[in-house]
Amino acid sequence: DAGVIQSPRHEVTEMGQEVTLRCKPISGHNSLFWYRQTMMRGLELLIYFNNNVPIDDSGMPEDRFSAKMPNASFSTLKIQPSEPRDSAVYFCASSLAASDYGYTFGSGTRLTVV
Amino acid sequence: AQSVTQLGSHVSVSEGALVLLRCNYSSSVPPYLFWYVQYPNQGLQLLLKYTTGATLVKGINGFEAEFKKSETSFHLTKPSAHMSDAAEYFCAVSFTGGFKTIFGAGTRLFVKA
Repeated sequence: DAGVIQSPRHEVTEMGQEVTLRCKPISGHNSLFWYRQTMMRGLELLIYFNNNVPIDDSGMPEDRFSAKMPNASFSTLKIQPSEPRDSAVYFCASSLAASDYGYTFGSGTRLTVV
Repeated sequence: AQSVTQLGSHVSVSEGALVLLRCNYSSSVPPYLFWYVQYPNQGLQLLLKYTTGATLVKGINGFEAEFKKSETSFHLTKPSAHMSDAAEYFCAVSFTGGFKTIFGAGTRLFVKA
């Protein structure tokens, strides 16, 4: 199993540009999570999906952030327009819906907005 | 409300010494408990978990943790630290029927030669 695959690994963009982060979860996992990690705030849950449906997006910081999961094997997190304070490492994780299963994390996307 | 507290944002040990990372949780229902490890420039990796049954659970790389209900704790230990154990460790909790896992703030482990 290739694990959770995120792309790109690094992204540098200018303020105001649109940024799209991509995630391929583990086949068979039906829950998907997007996290953001910064030194100041630590690990923050942005949104999670169950069976491709967004269940809780209360962690999405602003309307500039949006996430989709069009099918069981793909999800995107979009920031439009991007701002320097969005600079962080963004992780995608997948799991079975069972709460005792644990998460498998991707390697993350390091986003720098200049 | 459910929560997780990790005592100590930084822990430093000498190589070969005991590693003890502390985690306490707050919950009104039986919890599922996890430890994750994050090496530099990598995602979090599941180290071990407690769901039901034996309260002492063993994980990868020689780590183990013991669930103590009376103390609402799930401390992570390793008898002898190795340089390669230097990383950040996250305690986490979830609950029956819940979708979300609650993560602690993390403890960075430094191992001195």
